[in-house]
Amino acid sequence: EADIYQTPRYLVIGTGKKITLECSQTMGHDKMYWYQQDPGMELHLIHYSYGVNSTEKGDLSSESTVSRIRTEHFPLTLESARPSHTSQYLCASSGGTRQLFFGEGSRLTVL
Amino acid sequence: GEDVEQSLFLSVREGDSSVINCTYTDSSSTYLYWYKQEPGAGLQLLTYIFSNMDMKQDQRLTVLLNKKDKHLSLRIADTQTGDSAIYFCAEKPSRTNAGKSTFGDGTTLTVKP
Repeated sequence: EADIYQTPRYLVIGTGKKITLECSQTMGHDKMYWYQQDPGMELHLIHYSYGVNSTEKGDLSSESTVSRIRTEHFPLTLESARPSHTSQYLCASSGGTRQLFFGEGSRLTVL
Repeated sequence: GEDVEQSLFLSVREGDSSVINCTYTDSSSTYLYWYKQEPGAGLQLLTYIFSNMDMKQDQRLTVLLNKKDKHLSLRIADTQTGDSAIYFCAEKPSRTNAGKSTFGDGTTLTVKP
């Protein structure tokens, strides 16, 4: 049973729209991450958070932004989506064991 | 920076063994992971190994670690069509408490009946 949830699973939108990808976990994990998975299947870290009010940029530069107002939620926002943002976005969290728990992913297509 | 490399494709026949290889560069890696990703789904942790271990077996899965050569392998015995997926190798260094992992590009395993 999944303890980390992402919505929406699939989203198709037009260029210029603002979108927010939701990620929620019920495990009380402090650390949360957003990975971007391009069509070529590489996995890249774009944002991470150590806890409430803590956010950092990852290894891959991204035009998206994140917020961490509550432990359970780590939403990712694109103010103005472009076709280059078409990708799969995976949210993950980790607790003291260092193991990463992944959500099912949000597949974004920008037309 | 840290780097993790895997071969991109592997094709085997049902019932054969599959061996997926991975190399990494960070000698301070403490935890090494294998994740499975089925089409359209998120990553699922298959197994992991601590860097002070040489081998770990879990049912049909065997992980071998050669720390000297920084080489990790995943062997799947009696491979089934349901094992067709992308397998990601990942490492986590001990020198950081950030919990960030470095992932390989993934190996696409195709199992033919």
